[in-house]
Amino acid sequence: EDKVVQSPLSLVVHEGDTVTLNCSYEVTNFRSLLWYKQEKKAPTFLFMLTSSGIEKKSGRLSSILDKKELSSILNITATQTGDSAIYLCAVLAGGTSYGKLTFGQGTILTVHP
Amino acid sequence: NAGVTQTPKFRILKIGQSMTLQCAQDMNHNYMYWYRQDPGMGLKLIYYSVGAGITDKGEVPNGYNVSRSTTEDFPLRLELAAPSQTSVYFCASSYPPTSGSSYNEQFFGPGTRLTVL
Repeated sequence: EDKVVQSPLSLVVHEGDTVTLNCSYEVTNFRSLLWYKQEKKAPTFLFMLTSSGIEKKSGRLSSILDKKELSSILNITATQTGDSAIYLCAVLAGGTSYGKLTFGQGTILTVHP
Repeated sequence: NAGVTQTPKFRILKIGQSMTLQCAQDMNHNYMYWYRQDPGMGLKLIYYSVGAGITDKGEVPNGYNVSRSTTEDFPLRLELAAPSQTSVYFCASSYPPTSGSSYNEQFFGPGTRLTVL
């Protein structure tokens, strides 16, 4: 059974801090790893990582995949209260045209002013 | 474009009742999905569809049924609701993966919060 595990489950920081969120996975026929941000409602897509060692960046957020260690990290620098959300990691795997997405349980990030 | 829309936003059911969660998208996406999200958990795939008339089970299909008669609509049916089906339900849609890409972004609806008492 495919498995995705995130850590920590929750994190409380102050504005300006830097945070690192972790995601590890055990899946069959890995295709890519995705990060989502979920505020009050639906998840919104952040990054997709396919190749090991290549960093994806968007503003203060960055992510990198380590295929050897079967893991990924999501970094957020200079955190702001608007970064408070659940961050979901998902792994796309499978050999069919529809790749199955397996989600981790999420990391709840709370940023205090 | 409205994107992915879901109705209702909230619903309370009694044990044994049935209901249909509606999902529609106006982006002409072939692929549509239903997920459930329990408190403190990630999303789990219930059913998915790769086109009109084609559906398949995901990770947690028991207690649910789907149909896909049009590209736009993908309703989820709960028969004989049980407390274990208390959850937030998300519908999503996407284009199929393109050549050279393993994934096309899934666009999520706002969710339906269902409570079964």
